[in-house]
Amino acid sequence: EPEVTQTPSHQVTQMGQEVILRCVPISNHLYFYWYRQILGQKVEFLVSFYNNEISEKSEIFDDQFSVERPDGSNFTLKIRSTKLEDSAMYFCASSQAGRTGTEAFFGQGTRLTVV
Amino acid sequence: AQSVTQLDSQVPVFEEAPVELRCNYSSSVSVYLFWYVQYPNQGLQLLLKYLSGSTLVESINGFEAEFNKSQTSFHLRKPSVHISDTAEYFCAVSPTSNTGKLIFGQGTTLQVKP
Repeated sequence: EPEVTQTPSHQVTQMGQEVILRCVPISNHLYFYWYRQILGQKVEFLVSFYNNEISEKSEIFDDQFSVERPDGSNFTLKIRSTKLEDSAMYFCASSQAGRTGTEAFFGQGTRLTVV
Repeated sequence: AQSVTQLDSQVPVFEEAPVELRCNYSSSVSVYLFWYVQYPNQGLQLLLKYLSGSTLVESINGFEAEFNKSQTSFHLRKPSVHISDTAEYFCAVSPTSNTGKLIFGQGTTLQVKP
């Protein structure tokens, strides 16, 4: 069964460092998403991506965040200068179409710890 | 803007007992409603969804949820739970005019005890 794959499963980084979280969406999917969950809080939408550009982003997704689809298979989230409050579980998701109601498939998440 | 509230952070229940996980939402526009489940060390999986039509929707593993527009609720129920149902359950909404963005509740941990 096709699945969304995220690497690494756990990333520890020092405050101020750049980090790249990687995702391989399901191959025939066209819409890609990043969400995050700070420990004890809600899963929050960060950004959606379609046709090589951001289609929507939340207030959380400020200038320190960026997304990229560098090739035909990977979808990455970059945090340029990490802060302690960026520590969270980051989920990647993909769907065949962006029409709401089409199932989004999620990866297992990357736990980012900023120290 | 939309928001989702799951009132119970943890729900302990004995095996074969019924369970209800509560979800209320707030939105100024029409929304679709979802329940996702996260088993230990796995990603979020869609459990069921309400898009339109019958307000009662069912999953393949015995869960059901009923959309109640007047109470803005989408509670999840199962008449008899199994140990394997132990997981975290997330209620989510998505505006009907949107590109697929999901707004999640805080999650409810269902702990099924033998």
